[in-house]
Amino acid sequence: AQTVTQSQPEMSVQEAETVTLSCTYDTSENNYYLFWYKQPPSRQMILVIRQEAYKQQNATENRFSVNFQKAAKSFSLKISDSQLGDTAMYFCAFMKPFTGGGNKLTFGTGTQLKVEL
Amino acid sequence: DAGITQSPRHKVTETGTPVTLRCHQTENHRYMYWYRQDPGHGLRLIHYSYGVKDTDKGEVSDGYSVSRSKTEDFLLTLESATSSQTSVYFCAISEQVNQPQHFGDGTRLSIL
Repeated sequence: AQTVTQSQPEMSVQEAETVTLSCTYDTSENNYYLFWYKQPPSRQMILVIRQEAYKQQNATENRFSVNFQKAAKSFSLKISDSQLGDTAMYFCAFMKPFTGGGNKLTFGTGTQLKVEL
Repeated sequence: DAGITQSPRHKVTETGTPVTLRCHQTENHRYMYWYRQDPGHGLRLIHYSYGVKDTDKGEVSDGYSVSRSKTEDFLLTLESATSSQTSVYFCAISEQVNQPQHFGDGTRLSIL
């Protein structure tokens, strides 16, 4: 079974600064997908960024980028120019590809990020 | 935003009563999922569906059943609710098997 570990329960950052959230995972699979989801106080689960394991290039979405280290099984999220609206719980998630039966997400326990003035 | 509606948004009920949560989508996606969110556990998969009348168990399926009689609706039933099932329940959908899942706004269920 896959496991996802987020070792930082809480983090804080000053507005406009850069912060990195850590995520490690354990799997014997060679092909898989990794995600970061954001959950603001509104409780919505919002997809932030996606990485395919077969791609060496790190994914980027505007101010959000990842550092994907496949051999180390590490998938960290970097938020640049932090904004107050980035305050949220961030979840790292692993997905093993399935054929036909649906794809199952395995989540970490989350990192609560607070952006401060 | 993906067209996913969960109902009810909040519910308080008593131990031993049946409860049904509904997930309705307007995206015509094949895959639908039910997760529960608890402190210290992140989100955990309860059941999922890969088509009408096609469902399977997730990692925490005990005490839950699901049904999908049409593409747009996926129902989660607690036959006899227990206090351990107090949680926030999320529905998710995905179009293709390896595409990201998009989530509804969640249902907060309290069982007293």
